[in-house]
Amino acid sequence: QVQLQESGPGLVKPSETLSLTCTVSGGSISSYYWNWIRQPPGKGLEWIGYIYYSANTNYNPSLESRVTMSVDTSKNQLSLKLTSVTAADTAMYYCARATYSGGHYYFDFWGQGTLVTVSS
Amino acid sequence: DIQMTQSPSSLSASVGDRVTITCRASQSISIYLNWYQQKPGKAPKLLISAASSLQSGVPSRFSGSGSGTDFTLTITSLQPEDFATYCCQQTYGTPYTFGQGTKLEI
Repeated sequence: QVQLQESGPGLVKPSETLSLTCTVSGGSISSYYWNWIRQPPGKGLEWIGYIYYSANTNYNPSLESRVTMSVDTSKNQLSLKLTSVTAADTAMYYCARATYSGGHYYFDFWGQGTLVTVSS
Repeated sequence: DIQMTQSPSSLSASVGDRVTITCRASQSISIYLNWYQQKPGKAPKLLISAASSLQSGVPSRFSGSGSGTDFTLTITSLQPEDFATYCCQQTYGTPYTFGQGTKLEI
């Protein structure tokens, strides 16, 4: 069974960089799209972007100027960096695997999420 | 961006009821529509992909339908564990977008 686990600082100061890691176990990173999604407290889900195992990326234009995703296939890890954070970036951050089947993508495995608060 | 609008935002129901949640896309997305269930403090769980394809292990009381811009999630014979928030997601094009969620309450 594939498992994803996010990790990183729970508190980040305004204007600094948020850095998170997602460790994938029970399966290979290869041949899947790996997504980051966030959810501000009490609000809906926002897709941040994805990275393919080959390191191709696709970011949400609303965050593209501040986002960098990377993948380390040797460690089965993904990473997310979000620069110049503000209080609006306070959210639960999830990593999720997207499977492509029958012409459709769906997010079939998710991490438990990690709460990041932006505050001085 | 494709906007996804769910209705209602919240819904009260009882065990054994049948409920329907609607998701509308701001443009046609064919059947590139997934449904997720989310419980408090938990990650979303995939229920249905491609508008109507039930995921393995998901009870058959859940069903999805629709195409184009209008989609529905139906739960027949509500069980206590079904009280949660449900949201739709389009994967027709990036940025992938989600509905705001429908909270199903007892």
